[in-house]
Amino acid sequence: ETGVTQTPRHLVMGMTNKKSLKCEQHLGHNAMYWYKQSAKKPLELMFVYNFKEQTENNSVPSRFSPECPNSSHLFLHLHTLQPEDSALYLCASSQDLGGVTEAFFGQGTRLTVV
Amino acid sequence: GQQVMQIPQYQHVQEGEDFTTYCNSSTTLSNIQWYKQRPGGHPVFLIQLVKSGEVKKQKRLTFQFGEAKKNSSLHITATQTTDVGTYFCAVTDSWGKFQFGAGTQVVVTP
Repeated sequence: ETGVTQTPRHLVMGMTNKKSLKCEQHLGHNAMYWYKQSAKKPLELMFVYNFKEQTENNSVPSRFSPECPNSSHLFLHLHTLQPEDSALYLCASSQDLGGVTEAFFGQGTRLTVV
Repeated sequence: GQQVMQIPQYQHVQEGEDFTTYCNSSTTLSNIQWYKQRPGGHPVFLIQLVKSGEVKKQKRLTFQFGEAKKNSSLHITATQTTDVGTYFCAVTDSWGKFQFGAGTQVVVTP
């Protein structure tokens, strides 16, 4: 248990569905991240929030929409996804951006788009 | 963003053998971290290196930061089946965000 909780753990959705991924951390961290991990590809940084403010949108398609209502919660809203969006979506948090800090990952949501 | 190259991409190891995986950057790094992801799991932090030439050990794992702070290595001695997984190096870019290498996937044969 890393202190970062993601729900759901598995999700199957159709291309016309709307769903949301949730991430929660009670580590008192100020920075939260969404990463996408596809088979045989590196971890891709999608979004970064620092003190609830989005600091990075790494050229992510608009069908992915993040939301950070407070420092402890992060959502990823999904809409009209494509089969190639099937992947493991990992949430992470760290004390702050930069400096000497480590990332704590959640267990991920395995997403399958059909 | 800052790029780090990891080699090899795959590593097949006989149980009991040693192996090394490398992480290289074209720019000087402020620090480097290593993570391990077990099959079906999520990345877990192993260690952080900050100082030039730093060497840290965790049981059978030895982590080294190059003198020029442009490369790092992870050496595992007497590999065990529990060492199976993907090992990532990660750096923080100039904006403080984590950028991960592609990882070295380690398979151990008994």
